[in-house]
Amino acid sequence: GEDVEQSLFLSVREGDSSVINCTYTDSSSTYLYWYKQEPGAGLQLLTYIFSNMDMKQDQRLTVLLNKKDKHLSLRIADTQTGDSAIYFCAESIGNAGNMLTFGGGTRLMVKP
Amino acid sequence: DAGVIQSPRHEVTEMGQEVTLRCKPISGHDYLFWYRQTMMRGLELLIYFNNNVPIDDSGMPEDRFSAKMPNASFSTLKIQPSEPRDSAVYFCASSLPTGGSYNEQFFGPGTRLTVL
Repeated sequence: GEDVEQSLFLSVREGDSSVINCTYTDSSSTYLYWYKQEPGAGLQLLTYIFSNMDMKQDQRLTVLLNKKDKHLSLRIADTQTGDSAIYFCAESIGNAGNMLTFGGGTRLMVKP
Repeated sequence: DAGVIQSPRHEVTEMGQEVTLRCKPISGHDYLFWYRQTMMRGLELLIYFNNNVPIDDSGMPEDRFSAKMPNASFSTLKIQPSEPRDSAVYFCASSLPTGGSYNEQFFGPGTRLTVL
């Protein structure tokens, strides 16, 4: 079955880079996603990567995918206090309809 | 579009009472998902619908929970009778049908349920 795991907590100083890691077990994942949840709100898609890609960059965000190790990471450059949130990685699988399997979420705290 | 709409935003009730949570998905989205979020268990998928038909309800914790989608623009999640361990934030999400498994789910703001 599918299992997506993340570390629970990350604390960084404003201006530093943040790296949030995720591991997954299902090798048939077709897309992997990063969602952001701000306090008191629902999850919102931040970025995604197709499984045949190794890297995707979008402004301050860099997503790295290592399919061999089933490892996904999200790097946030020049982290700001507004980046404080819970970050979820998720995977979708080709034959699973529109279902997503979410990790447990990593709470990012950015200190001024 | 207003996004996914959930009501109420907060619900406080006493153990044993019936609770009904409501969701209006984004117009044109064929898929609707109900999730529960707690500190202990994280984000759990309870049930999802495609074209108003329940597809997978394996995440529904027990018979006290039921969900319906009478039409494309409305769904309910009912808990009867409610228990303190049902206290959580309940999210509804919707998405478009996709042929290639890319799936952006759009989440509502959630309903924070407290059962005393």
